[in-house]
Amino acid sequence: GESVGLHLPTLSVQEGDNSIINCAYSNSASDYFIWYKQESGKGPQFIIDIRSNMDKRQGQRVTVLLNKTVKHLSLQIAATQPGDSAVYFCAENINNAGNMLTFGGGTRLMVKP
Amino acid sequence: NAGVMQNPRHLVRRRGQEARLRCSPMKGHSHVYWYRQLPEEGLKFMVYLQKENIIDESGMPKERFSAEFPKEGPSILRIQQVVRGDSAAYFCASSRQGAGADTQYFGPGTRLTVL
Repeated sequence: GESVGLHLPTLSVQEGDNSIINCAYSNSASDYFIWYKQESGKGPQFIIDIRSNMDKRQGQRVTVLLNKTVKHLSLQIAATQPGDSAVYFCAENINNAGNMLTFGGGTRLMVKP
Repeated sequence: NAGVMQNPRHLVRRRGQEARLRCSPMKGHSHVYWYRQLPEEGLKFMVYLQKENIIDESGMPKERFSAEFPKEGPSILRIQQVVRGDSAAYFCASSRQGAGADTQYFGPGTRLTVL
């Protein structure tokens, strides 16, 4: 079935470098995408979202890029810090198909000091 | 400005017992969602509720699992006659509106262990 998935299960970066976490989705009807950060033992924390009528959205130190042509979503974290170490999930929602979020499998980001 | 609250944070049950998980949404939110997460996996949707109504339970097992969101009080996810396979983290999320593009905010989760 259609699902959201990620390219890299683990990403290791040096403190201060930029991080890029990727996500592929296969359902062309998806129109809303969210990135969540989950630290060990905690619930998912909202980072940033983007709707399908946009291709880029920026937050504080984070940028989400959406390429609908190839059904690809990415999260860029600038100047990665140790506190950014966590598992990152992308999630999608299909409008008019219920309010459920479909989550990808997650990418673990490890920041080396 | 409290976020989504869940309790208990950890719950241990023996096979055959009942588990009750509670979720209080963020202030001003009337839409509640329950998700289940196995270790090292993403979250899987279970059920979506509004006050006194189940809107979508397509992700919830047909047997032993039930959910409610009464007019007063928290949302309850109930698992009867638990089995070892029910061991997981259960997360509740809430949103202000029910539209698909309305941000869902998650609680800290309840970690259920079935012995």
